[in-house]
Amino acid sequence: NAGVTQTPKFQVLKTGQSMTLQCAQDMNHEYMSWYRQDPGMGLRLIHYSVGAGITDQGEVPNGYNVSRSTTEDFPLRLLSAAPSQTSVYFCASSPGTPRTGELFFGEGSRLTVL
Amino acid sequence: ILNVEQSPQSLHVQEGDSTNFTCSFPSSNFYALHWYRWETAKSPEALFVMTLNGDEKKKGRISATLNTKEGYSYLYIKGSQPEDSATYLCAFPRYSGGGADGLTFGKGTHLIIQP
Repeated sequence: NAGVTQTPKFQVLKTGQSMTLQCAQDMNHEYMSWYRQDPGMGLRLIHYSVGAGITDQGEVPNGYNVSRSTTEDFPLRLLSAAPSQTSVYFCASSPGTPRTGELFFGEGSRLTVL
Repeated sequence: ILNVEQSPQSLHVQEGDSTNFTCSFPSSNFYALHWYRWETAKSPEALFVMTLNGDEKKKGRISATLNTKEGYSYLYIKGSQPEDSATYLCAFPRYSGGGADGLTFGKGTHLIIQP
């Protein structure tokens, strides 16, 4: 069972570079989301999507872009990386919504911005 | 902005002992309360999603209770084992005024079981 798959697992960027974190799920979940984990803080919502073609901002969206062209994929784009974006990023999907169903998490992507 | 508070921040428990910890959340606009278990170098895994006041859920040696009127949930672990060592997260749906949004997570309770 693949579940939620994130790539890459590790990435080092220089300030100003752009990159895309990939997320794919094979559970046919409509809801997908991205969180970041920083030391001393809880997971924080970046962006989310309730279905193909529908995305919206979460708590900390600045500097990130998302799109949802298929049910399976929900990539997160860093437009111009900054050291403040050094973090561990988690993609999560749900069979329902966070008000009704549990989240299924990917294994995380550790990003360092120099 | 919602605040989800978890206590204690960390906990050392002897193998075989039982333990519990707390999640506090806003009691207004309640939809659900999530508990996740997060082992080092792995991803968070759902334990429970609780929706009803007075609800009690159980999975093996782990159980949880919910009080939506006063805004707290307890997670209990009976007869702790080394494999229970993990960070336990609780989370509360963000209120967006519309439909689905995401979760606001607490900082977690880091549980260490000592043999």
